[in-house]
Amino acid sequence: AQSVAQPEDQVNVAEGNPLTVKCTYSVSGNPYLFWYVQYPNRGLQFLLKYITGDNLVKGSYGFEAEFNKSQTSFHLKKPSALVSDSALYFCAVRAPGQNFVFGPGTRLSVLP
Amino acid sequence: DVKVTQSSRYLVKRTGEKVFLECVQDMDHENMFWYRQDPGLGLRLIYFSYDVKMKEKGDIPEGYSVSREKKERFSLILESASTNQTSMYLCASSPGTSLYEQYFGPGTRLTVT
Repeated sequence: AQSVAQPEDQVNVAEGNPLTVKCTYSVSGNPYLFWYVQYPNRGLQFLLKYITGDNLVKGSYGFEAEFNKSQTSFHLKKPSALVSDSALYFCAVRAPGQNFVFGPGTRLSVLP
Repeated sequence: DVKVTQSSRYLVKRTGEKVFLECVQDMDHENMFWYRQDPGLGLRLIYFSYDVKMKEKGDIPEGYSVSREKKERFSLILESASTNQTSMYLCASSPGTSLYEQYFGPGTRLTVT
């Protein structure tokens, strides 16, 4: 069975500092990994995905994520956080032919 | 840009009422999904559809049904609303392979009183 863990309910970071939102997964076979962001009272917006190839994936709004197969992780990163990055972030995994499984979400607060 | 729209942003219904949530996508996607989102639980899949008139149960189908009569439209039905169905409901669509991300609508916040 597939599963996704986001070990931190809340991440606080000062504006301008680097941020990391953690994600680990469990899946049979090669995973497809995704990050989404949700702003208040909005649907989810796609940020980036890993399918195959380079382990470092770059996405929207300056975000990137690194696929680490040995640690079964796909952490989301940004070199310099903005107050406008404050939102709820979801990691999702999908095995080929299977449905998406979403993590519980991590609330990111960027403090001015 | 892919657009997924949902019929209502906010909805208040009484216990026992029949509730219809509508979702429309404009990108000719084969797949459509209904999730509910609750704090600390992430998104849980209620039902999905891979084609017109096709439907499959997700992880939490009890108390819900769906209808997909046209490719662009996927409806979620609460046959008899209960207070434990108070939640945010999100519709999503995606192309027909696993490589693609899902595109989400803005959500419907349903309150059952």
